[in-house]
Amino acid sequence: AQSVTQLDSQVPVFEEAPVELRCNYSSSVSVYLFWYVQYPNQGLQLLLKYLSGSTLVKGINGFEAEFNKSQTSFHLRKPSVHISDTAEYFCAVITNNGGFKTIFGAGTRLFVKA
Amino acid sequence: DAEITQSPRHKITETGRQVTLACHQTWNHNNMFWYRQDLGHGLRLIHYSYGVHDTNKGEVSDGYSVSRSNTEDLPLTLESAASSQTSVYFCASSEAGNVYEQYFGPGTRLTVT
Repeated sequence: AQSVTQLDSQVPVFEEAPVELRCNYSSSVSVYLFWYVQYPNQGLQLLLKYLSGSTLVKGINGFEAEFNKSQTSFHLRKPSVHISDTAEYFCAVITNNGGFKTIFGAGTRLFVKA
Repeated sequence: DAEITQSPRHKITETGRQVTLACHQTWNHNNMFWYRQDLGHGLRLIHYSYGVHDTNKGEVSDGYSVSRSNTEDLPLTLESAASSQTSVYFCASSEAGNVYEQYFGPGTRLTVT
């Protein structure tokens, strides 16, 4: 069975500081990895994805993530956050081996302070 | 602009009633999905469809059904609503050659009293 763990439920950070949102997963089959952002009262928006190839992936809004297969991690980073980055961030794993499965983490609330 | 819409955005219903949540997309995407979002659980997959007349059960399908009669719509039906189905429901779609890149609707907040 697959699982996704987002290690921090809330991350407060000051504006212009760097941030890392942590995501670990477990799976016995190959996975595809995603980060989504959800602003209040809105649906989820895809930030970035890892399907194959380079383990460092860049997404929208200056975010990037690195796939580490040995540590089964896919941490999200941004070198300098803005107030507008305040939102809920979800890590997700998708497998399509014997049936489509999407497993989402419980989410990390990023709160950017002035 | 192409988009994905959900209706209603908010719904209050009573236990035991049948409820249908609508999802409509104008991207002509083959793949459509329904999720529920609850505190502490992230999103969980209810049902999904790879095309017209195709439906598949997800992780939490009990008490829910879907049907796909055209490309644009995937309505979600709660046959007999239960308080445990109080949640926020999200519809998503993706194109045939890229099932993994899903686009989400704005959500429907359902309260079962």
